[in-house]
Amino acid sequence: AQSVTQLDSQVPVFEEAPVELRCNYSSSVSVYLFWYVQYPNQGLQLLLKYLSGSTLVKGINGFEAEFNKSQTSFHLRKPSVHISDTAEYFCAVRNPGNQFYFGTGTSLTVIP
Amino acid sequence: DAGVIQSPRHEVTEMGQEVTLRCKPISGHNSLFWYRQTMMRGLELLIYFNNNVPIDDSGMPEDRFSAKMPNASFSTLKIQPSEPRDSAVYFCASSLVGPTEAFFGQGTRLTVV
Repeated sequence: AQSVTQLDSQVPVFEEAPVELRCNYSSSVSVYLFWYVQYPNQGLQLLLKYLSGSTLVKGINGFEAEFNKSQTSFHLRKPSVHISDTAEYFCAVRNPGNQFYFGTGTSLTVIP
Repeated sequence: DAGVIQSPRHEVTEMGQEVTLRCKPISGHNSLFWYRQTMMRGLELLIYFNNNVPIDDSGMPEDRFSAKMPNASFSTLKIQPSEPRDSAVYFCASSLVGPTEAFFGQGTRLTVV
């Protein structure tokens, strides 16, 4: 079975500072990895995805993530955050059986 | 494409009433997922369908919950009878089978009083 662990439930960061949101997963098979963002009262929106190939993937809004197979991690980073990045961020795994498994989310708060 | 469409966006109902949530997936997608989101439990997978067939309903909390997908363009999640603890945001998502992402609807905020 797969599981996804987001190590930080809340991350406060000052505007224009860098941020890293951590995600680890457990799986005995190859998986596909995703980061989603959820703004208040909205659905989840895809930020980026790793399916295969280069382990560094770039997404929308200046976010990027690096897949590390040996550490089973898929951490999300942004070099300089904006107020508009304040939102909930979800890491997700999709296994070959087609199911998606989501982490519990990380609430990012950007402080002016 | 208009994306995944859910209705209603908000639903307030009294305990004991039947509630039906609706979802129209993206055209061409062959997988459909129902999730429930609460502060306490986060995002929970309730059930998912492949090609209109329920594959895994182990996340459905009780027999009060049922889901159907009569065709490729429509799914319903029904709660009968509803209880206050069912209050949550319910999301529908659709995707293609395989290495691709899921697309989420805007959700239905259900309040049972």
